Amino acid sequence: DAGVIQSPRHEVTEMGQEVTLRCKPISGHNSLFWYRQTMMRGLELLIYFNNNVPIDDSGMPEDRFSAKMPNASFSTLKIQPSEPRDSAVYFCASSINSNEKLFFGSGTQLSVL
Amino acid sequence: AQSVAQPEDQVNVAEGNPLTVKCTYSVSGNPYLFWYVQYPNRGLQFLLKYITGDNLVKGSYGFEAEFNKSQTSFHLKKPSALVSDSALYFCAVSTGTASKLTFGTGTRLQVTL
Repeated sequence: DAGVIQSPRHEVTEMGQEVTLRCKPISGHNSLFWYRQTMMRGLELLIYFNNNVPIDDSGMPEDRFSAKMPNASFSTLKIQPSEPRDSAVYFCASSINSNEKLFFGSGTQLSVL
Repeated sequence: AQSVAQPEDQVNVAEGNPLTVKCTYSVSGNPYLFWYVQYPNRGLQFLLKYITGDNLVKGSYGFEAEFNKSQTSFHLKKPSALVSDSALYFCAVSTGTASKLTFGTGTRLQVTL
């Protein structure tokens, strides 16, 4: 298995633009997580899905952020409009279920200018 | 609310010496405890977990961790450090199925010759 696949690896955009981050979880995993990592705030859970259903989105910063999981093999995290303070590394992770170990993707480095 | 504390931003150890990376937690109910490691420009990788059973848990790369309920701690240990162990280490806690995983702020381990 190729592991959790995230794209793009790097994204540079201007303030106000829409940004879409993509994630393909490991086949057979039922839980999917989106995390954000910054020096100031560390690793923050934004949202997680179980069987394609959002379970906890309390970590989503504000209405500018949205996440979808239309099927078991694909998820997106969208920021619209983007702001410089959104600059961070965004990680997607999946697991067989939510109390098992997580497998992380390599992350998307987002820079909003 | 559940939380994890990693009191040391950085731990410095000479190669061949034992290492300890500290972690304490706070949850309501029984904890599910994890250690992850992050190498530069990579996602987090699972090292070990404690759910129930023996308080001493053995994991990948020779690491182990000891669950201490009375002290609410789950310190990561290794008898003999390697330079290649240098990385960022995260402790995490959840309370079981469908519960979100809360990460600590991370501890940077630096192993020198």
